[in-house]
Amino acid sequence: AQTVTQSQPEMSVQEAETVTLSCTYDTSENNYYLFWYKQPPSRQMILVIRQEAYKQQNATENRFSVNFQKAAKSFSLKISDSQLGDTAMYFCAFMKRGSQGNLIFGKGTKLSVKP
Amino acid sequence: DAGVTQSPTHLIKTRGQHVTLRCSPISGHKSVSWYQQVLGQGPQFIFQYYEKEERGRGNFPDRFSARQFPNYSSELNVNALLLGDSALYLCASSFNQANNYGYTFGSGTRLTVV
Repeated sequence: AQTVTQSQPEMSVQEAETVTLSCTYDTSENNYYLFWYKQPPSRQMILVIRQEAYKQQNATENRFSVNFQKAAKSFSLKISDSQLGDTAMYFCAFMKRGSQGNLIFGKGTKLSVKP
Repeated sequence: DAGVTQSPTHLIKTRGQHVTLRCSPISGHKSVSWYQQVLGQGPQFIFQYYEKEERGRGNFPDRFSARQFPNYSSELNVNALLLGDSALYLCASSFNQANNYGYTFGSGTRLTVV
């Protein structure tokens, strides 16, 4: 069975600075996808970034980028130029290729951006 | 276009009762998945429905059931409610069954069982 671990329950960062959220996962699969979702107080899970395991290049979406280390089974999220609106819970998620919509989430990291 | 809509937003039920939660996917999306998010935890997969058929099921008891209608909306039913069923129930939709591009989530239904 696959598991996703987020070892940082809470983190804080000053506005405009950079922060990195950690995520590790355990799987015997070779084809899979990794995601970072953001959940603000509005409760809606919002997709931040996606990584395909067979692609070595790290995904980037504007201020958000990942450091994907397949051998180490590590998938960290870097937020550059942090903004107050980035304050939220961040969840790392794993999905086996071909699975029936089964996203496996970590327990989340609560990020606070301070002015 | 409307996003994924869920109703009701909040709900309070008594132990032993039954509850029905509703989800309307994004227009054109044919797949609906349900997740349970207990306070302080990440969401856990309950079901996926695609083209009105159950295509995936998580590790939940038979008290949990769901269905998908011809317009692709979906209902999640929970019978004989337990205190431990208190959670945020999230619905997610995607165009097809194996959407590897991520799912679009609704804002959830907050269920409290007393």
